[in-house]
Amino acid sequence: DIQMTQSPSSLSASVGDRVIITCRTSQSVLIYVNWYQQKPGKAPKLLIYAASTLQSGVPSRFSGSGSGTDFTLTISSLQPEDSATYYCQESYSSTITFGQGTRLDIK
Amino acid sequence: EVQLVESGGDLVQPGGSLRLSCAASEYIFSNYWMSWVRQAPGKGLEWVANINQDGSGRGYVDSVKGRFTVFRDNAKNSLYLQMNSLRVDDTAVYYCARWRGAQSEFDLWGQGTLVTVSS
Repeated sequence: DIQMTQSPSSLSASVGDRVIITCRTSQSVLIYVNWYQQKPGKAPKLLIYAASTLQSGVPSRFSGSGSGTDFTLTISSLQPEDSATYYCQESYSSTITFGQGTRLDIK
Repeated sequence: EVQLVESGGDLVQPGGSLRLSCAASEYIFSNYWMSWVRQAPGKGLEWVANINQDGSGRGYVDSVKGRFTVFRDNAKNSLYLQMNSLRVDDTAVYYCARWRGAQSEFDLWGQGTLVTVSS
């Protein structure tokens, strides 16, 4: 199975900051990484698919990049409502794997 | 409104069985793969199972193979998860999610239903 390692596991940042979350896979997954946002007590929400495509309705401050084994989720200017846990997920293999999550708090 | 609504979560003893349901509305259910994803208390997301559009293809995470069965009824726009031989570590919120197909993404999620396995 493909292993996914997210970093950092948690971070705290201020409104307006640029935030970068990374995800590394144990083998190449081409561009097949997706990113989700989950707020406490809520279902996950798709943000980015196929590494860099913004899901409809998601604010443009969110962006994704990467290919092969290294991927990033960037929030260009952090907003208070972005406080959440973020997960990467690979869809290259038949057994779908999520990263362990990155908890993002607002200072 | 396009949505998924799960039901069936409950408290069950180890070794017991439970069936979860997921009702889809306002989209063509039979056009999409569907999946179950779970989240243990305070933990991350874990994919459990998926099923293709006509139910002829299914996949499972190793930890539930032989115990869980995913199936669907396209006439009722519904997805199911039959869970047998439940273990304490199956305790989680179970989400149904719409899967856009191989090498794609979960683009629609239900609100989740809680399964607690405890004596």
